[in-house]
Amino acid sequence: EADIYQTPRYLVIGTGKKITLECSQTMGHDKMYWYQQDPGMELHLIHYSYGVNSTEKGDLSSESTVSRIRTEHFPLTLESARPSHTSQYLCASSEQGTGANVLTFGAGSRLTVL
Amino acid sequence: GDSVTQMEGPVTLSEEAFLTINCTYTATGYPSLFWYVQYPGEGLQLLLKATKADDKGSNKGFEATYRKETTSFHLEKGSVQVSDSAVYFCALRRSNSGYALNFGKGTSLLVTP
Repeated sequence: EADIYQTPRYLVIGTGKKITLECSQTMGHDKMYWYQQDPGMELHLIHYSYGVNSTEKGDLSSESTVSRIRTEHFPLTLESARPSHTSQYLCASSEQGTGANVLTFGAGSRLTVL
Repeated sequence: GDSVTQMEGPVTLSEEAFLTINCTYTATGYPSLFWYVQYPGEGLQLLLKATKADDKGSNKGFEATYRKETTSFHLEKGSVQVSDSAVYFCALRRSNSGYALNFGKGTSLLVTP
């Protein structure tokens, strides 16, 4: 049973549309992350959060934005989608602390922009 | 920065064959190391992990040993099954960015009957 949920699983939209990818976790984890997975499978960190009201940009420059108003919720928004945004987006969370930091992933949202 | 290099695929094996997927890392210090698996259409699942040198992670017949001397964390399984067909990612824990993980590029494994 998944403890981290992403919706929608699949989305096909036209250029210029605003989209929000939802991510929710029920584990009470403080840290959350967004990765972008390109067609070649490589994963790139695009956003992360240490907790409520904390958001940081990752390694890969992204035109998306995120918010963290509640511990369990970490949505990603694209104000104006373009074909270059076509990708798989994976949300993950982990517990606070400096141990192994195991990330738990959602099933992903596959975005296609026409 | 900290990074992981893993062998490129695709790897095709017959059922019951021995599997090795090589992974080496570059890092300051000794980060925790992981193997994740991704089945088609799904997110990543933790397969195993090791937090310090000489630790062996194991799960579902898969094993990997944290080798400080060779900066390696190779994944092995003695007898693969068709159900093991998936993409395997080696990863290390970063010392920054919320302790996010840096992943290798993934190795696709196909096991044939």
